[in-house]
Amino acid sequence: KAGVTQTPRYLIKTRGQQVTLSCSPISGHRSVSWYQQTPGQGLQFLFEYFSETQRNKGNFPGRFSGRQFSNSRSEMNVSTLELGDSALYLCASSMDRVETQYFGPGTRLLVL
Amino acid sequence: DAKTTQPPSMDCAEGRAANLPCNHSTISGNEYVYWYRQIHSQGPQYIIHGLKNNETNEMASLIITEDRKSSTLILPHATLRDTAVYYCIVRVAFTGGGNKLTFGTGTQLKVEL
Repeated sequence: KAGVTQTPRYLIKTRGQQVTLSCSPISGHRSVSWYQQTPGQGLQFLFEYFSETQRNKGNFPGRFSGRQFSNSRSEMNVSTLELGDSALYLCASSMDRVETQYFGPGTRLLVL
Repeated sequence: DAKTTQPPSMDCAEGRAANLPCNHSTISGNEYVYWYRQIHSQGPQYIIHGLKNNETNEMASLIITEDRKSSTLILPHATLRDTAVYYCIVRVAFTGGGNKLTFGTGTQLKVEL
């Protein structure tokens, strides 16, 4: 079975721009969660989607948003980028909301 | 989710067993213990999880104390490729609890020749 895939793998943007990251979960998995990893804050939960609905949200500003499609693929969007948004963004999928999460390779975002 | 405490770093000789401890003294009866590892700049890799009983898979063994307040991840024959940050996480085991992993700072395991 193919693992979780994330695109793009690397991205460079400038302050004020917006960015959209994509995540394709493992086939059959319906829950997708997003995490941000920075050297200062570590790995932090952003939000979770299940059945196209956001089920859980971490402590991030409204500039961070996401959505999930009927095929369980998910996107996250960051608007009005700030330097501090430079991070590794990780997507994880699980079969349902109580099963083990499996992570993708991440998208490394650099904001200049 | 319960808080976990892990040593910041550990060293292990290649071929020897690596025993990584984790304290989760405030764990609830409905919370699992999960272990993930992250090799530099890659996505975290799932290793193993358990509720009450000891567990073993092809990667590792998980020993959970009877009172469930601590656990140990055992890599039986560590190799250089096991060098990574290891995260011990507790998470609720029911749907209403939400599907969220709370990562701490983990243990940096360094396997040396």
